[in-house]
Amino acid sequence: AQTVTQSQPEMSVQEAETVTLSCTYDTSENNYYLFWYKQPPSRQMILVIRQEAYKQQNATENRFSVNFQKAAKSFSLKISDSQLGDTAMYFCAFRGATNKLIFGTGTLLAVQP
Amino acid sequence: DSGVTQTPKHLITATGQRVTLRCSPRSGDLSVYWYQQSLDQGLQFLIQYYNGEERAKGNILERFSAQQFPDLHSELNLSSLELGDSALYFCASSEEAGGLAKNIQYFGAGTRLSVL
Repeated sequence: AQTVTQSQPEMSVQEAETVTLSCTYDTSENNYYLFWYKQPPSRQMILVIRQEAYKQQNATENRFSVNFQKAAKSFSLKISDSQLGDTAMYFCAFRGATNKLIFGTGTLLAVQP
Repeated sequence: DSGVTQTPKHLITATGQRVTLRCSPRSGDLSVYWYQQSLDQGLQFLIQYYNGEERAKGNILERFSAQQFPDLHSELNLSSLELGDSALYFCASSEEAGGLAKNIQYFGAGTRLSVL
């Protein structure tokens, strides 16, 4: 069975600084997708970025980028130039052949002014 | 706005009761997924429907059931409610049923259920 692990329950970063959130996963599948979702205090689940496992190039979306290490089964999220609006719970998620999303336990990120 | 609509936003009910949560997917999306977010279990997949048919089942209790109607909206029915059913219930939708297509799941704002 697939599992997703986020080992950092909480993190804090100063505004305009860079922060990296960690995620590891376990699967025997070769083709899959990985996602980072953001859940602000409003509770809405917002897709931040996705990575296709068969693509070697790391995905980027504006200030958000990932470091995908397939062999190590690692998928970290880097947020550059952190903004107050980035304060949220961040969930790493895996989607394989079954199509359901398997989520980690989340990392609560606080951006300090 | 994700385009996925969930009603109601909040629901307060008593143990033993039955409630229905409703979800309207994004225009053009054929798949609907239900997830439960609770403090002790985290975010868990419950069930998926594709074009009216059940496609996948997760950790869904027998007291819970769902369906997807011809207009593609979906309902999640929770019966014989217990205190432990208090949670945030999310609906998500995507274009396709599965496979490795670019099949992003977009989430609604959720329904917060409180069982007293």
